[in-house]
Amino acid sequence: DIQLTQSPSFLSASVGDRVTITCRASQGISSYLAWYQQKPGKAPKLLIYPASTLQTGVPSRFSGSGSGTEFTLTISSLQPEDFATYYCQQLNSYPRTFGQGTKLEIK
Amino acid sequence: EVQLVESGGGLVQPGGSLRLSCAASGFTFSSYDMHWVRQTSGKGLECVSTIDTADKTYYVDSVKGRFTISRENAKNSLYLQMNSLRAEDTAVYYCARGRSGYYSWGQGTLVTVSS
Repeated sequence: DIQLTQSPSFLSASVGDRVTITCRASQGISSYLAWYQQKPGKAPKLLIYPASTLQTGVPSRFSGSGSGTEFTLTISSLQPEDFATYYCQQLNSYPRTFGQGTKLEIK
Repeated sequence: EVQLVESGGGLVQPGGSLRLSCAASGFTFSSYDMHWVRQTSGKGLECVSTIDTADKTYYVDSVKGRFTISRENAKNSLYLQMNSLRAEDTAVYYCARGRSGYYSWGQGTLVTVSS
């Protein structure tokens, strides 16, 4: 199975900050990587797939990059509604796997 | 509007069985891969099972031989038959749709395995 390791696991930041979350795959997955946002008590929401393509309706302050084994999710200027947990997921092979999550908290 | 509504969760004893259902609406159900994803507080998100549009199925190792995914396109429904349940199967179970990312999710149904 392909393992995904996110860093950091916790991130404390302020409104207006630029933040970056990294996702590393245990083997190459080309660009078959998705990013999700999850708020408490809600299902995950797809933000980006493949690695750098924003889904319709996702604000342009979100961006993704990378290919192969290293990927990043960047939020250029944090807004209050962005404080949530973020997950990466590989869709290169079965079983699909997720990273362990990055909880983004307000400083 | 796309809707996925899970049902069938509840409290079950170890070794017991449950059948989860997911009622889909607002899209052509037969045209999409469908998935069951579970979430525990300790282990995050885990893709339990997938059924594609050709009815090919995939399972995570921990549920192989115990869980069975199926779909009934005429009823726009997805199912997960869960047998020989274990405490570690306790989680919120979501159904989700999509091949290029999971772009629609249900609200989840809680499965608790405990004596």
